[in-house]
Amino acid sequence: NAGVTQTPKFQVLKTGQSMTLQCAQDMNHEYMSWYRQDPGMGLRLIHYSVGAGITDQGEVPNGYNVSRSTTEDFPLRLLSAAPSQTSVYFCASSWGQSSYNEQFFGPGTRLTVL
Amino acid sequence: GQQLNQSPQSMFIQEGEDVSMNCTSSSIFNTWLWYKQDPGEGPVLLIALYKAGELTSNGRLTAQFGITRKDSFLNISASIPSDVGIYFCAGPSYGTASKLTFGTGTRLQVTL
Repeated sequence: NAGVTQTPKFQVLKTGQSMTLQCAQDMNHEYMSWYRQDPGMGLRLIHYSVGAGITDQGEVPNGYNVSRSTTEDFPLRLLSAAPSQTSVYFCASSWGQSSYNEQFFGPGTRLTVL
Repeated sequence: GQQLNQSPQSMFIQEGEDVSMNCTSSSIFNTWLWYKQDPGEGPVLLIALYKAGELTSNGRLTAQFGITRKDSFLNISASIPSDVGIYFCAGPSYGTASKLTFGTGTRLQVTL
């Protein structure tokens, strides 16, 4: 089992560019989520999904889109990158549809927006 | 939104010392989770608490669900170098089990 995989590991973008952060899990988990981590602020939920075809907003959704066409994949799209989106992004998954089940995190994507 | 405040923000301790940290909220939580993040990695779940007053251990780690349901505590006994990392408390946001709120984290450094 690879668990939760994220690509790329590092990315530098210019302001206004768009890109997609990839996330995949091979554990057949229903729940998947995206967080961003900024110094001193912990992890903040961007979007989450409780199953294929179902997504919802988290705490900081502005500037990001998600879709969940399969159980395995949950990509995060930055529509027009801004310096405020410089952060480390983590994808996570868990069984069931609740956030309080053990979430398994990917290794993260470190994004810098110039 | 809900906020989880953790203290201390950071700790520098010597190997073998015991560690205590806590997490407080302005609102009631029905579940408390403690995650640890090693440098350069994603967080990993250490302990889950589901009932007020509950005390749960995982090896050298012990966590408690506060009676008021607005706080939780994590203790590490006899710290070792691999305890280095950031410790986060977390809980489902009010009104929904689908959104997790994370605390601000306690960064632990262990010196030999």
